[in-house]
Order: sequence, then structure tokens, then C-alpha cells
Amino acid sequence: QVQLQESGPGLVKPSQTLSLTCTVSGASISSDFDYWNWIRQHPGKGLEWIGYIYNSGSTYYNPSLMSRITISVDTSKNQFSLKLTSVTAADTAVYYCARIAESRRAFDIWGQGTMVTVSS
Amino acid sequence: DIQMTQSPSSLSASVGDRVTITCRASESISGYLNWYQQIPGKAPKLLIYAASSLQSGVPSRFNGRGSGTDFTLTISSLQPEDFATYYCQQDYSALRTFGQGTKVEIK
Repeated sequence: QVQLQESGPGLVKPSQTLSLTCTVSGASISSDFDYWNWIRQHPGKGLEWIGYIYNSGSTYYNPSLMSRITISVDTSKNQFSLKLTSVTAADTAVYYCARIAESRRAFDIWGQGTMVTVSS
Repeated sequence: DIQMTQSPSSLSASVGDRVTITCRASESISGYLNWYQQIPGKAPKLLIYAASSLQSGVPSRFNGRGSGTDFTLTISSLQPEDFATYYCQQDYSALRTFGQGTKVEIK
């Protein structure tokens, strides 16, 4: 079955760049029918969609974060990645990767999430 | 942005109760509304997509209805494993947005 797994540092210093990777198994990241997303959840709060990549390179970002985000894909490793620049304490959150299956137009598969703390 | 507003923000209920959560969109989203369940410390889990379609493996006690701006998620008979936080999410706009969540607690 399709599985997603986030990886990356759990601690990032203020003003630095947060970098996370999501490894996909059981599906091809090159699929024309799936959108590969990043979503975050601040401690004790709701869910915030960050952006997605699809069709091996097309992206769409949340306008509120657009100036600081890059989502990219490595098809050889079946992975996609998130870079968030100039982080502050407000970027402390659990970061999830998730798939939107075009047939459902819903986040049907999620990674387990990874906690990232921004602190010096 | 399309704003999603859930009510109530929290509720207390007993096992066996019928529970209904409401989600309202700030503009029409047709039927592009999804529901998720999140247990503390876990990733959200898709329950309902396209307003009323049950995701594979989800118990039939979960039911979704609505279109346009007003949607509901009903749990017909609350089970111990259903105590969690529930989120709605619109997929009408490319800028996906979630409701603030409804926490279902044990009475």
C-alpha cells in the first residue's frame, strides 16, 4: 500500500532554512493523477496547507508562505522535499506530507508527521 | 481564501450517542468537502470525501452530507475509538483550507 515518511532535522535555528523530505513507497511520484503536499500543524492548533507539487515539477503554494517556500521532487528517489527559509519560532510545528489522489480530491494518505522546533 | 468554520468547537458525548458536527464555507464549494479524524499524536485520517463518500475501511456509522456552503458529519453511534478531533477541508479552491476542528470528548 502507499506509504509516506517524513525525514529531516527536528531542530532549526532562527533565520535558517528548514529542510524536510518525504519518501513515497507504493506509488510513483511521477504519477499524473496524484498531488504531493506539505501540511503543518502548530502545537495544539489546526491544520495549515503549505503547498504541493505534481506532474514531476509543477507547484502551487499557500500565498501566505509563498515567498519562503520551495517544494521540489527527486523522481530517482521517489521523494519530494520542502524548504522553508528564514524560519522563526512561528514555524515550529508538526510537518506532514500527504497525497491528494485526483480521484478523491482529498488528502487520502498521510505521513506520520515530524516535529520541527525553531530555537537557538 | 475560502474560510471554513466548524461548530461546535468541542462537545462532550457518551458512547452510543448520535453526534453531528457542522462545517460552513465562506462561499460555495459545491460538494468538494472532506472530513478527517485526528487522534492525539497521530496524523489525520480521511473519513469522508466529496461531502458524502465514505473512504475505504471507514465504519458506516460515519455519514457526511451537504453541498454549497453547509455540510455535516454525523456519527450515528459514538464508539470509544471515535473520541478525537474532527476537521473539515475544502478542495474547491487550489488554496486548500481546513476548519478549526471539533474536539469530541467523553462525557
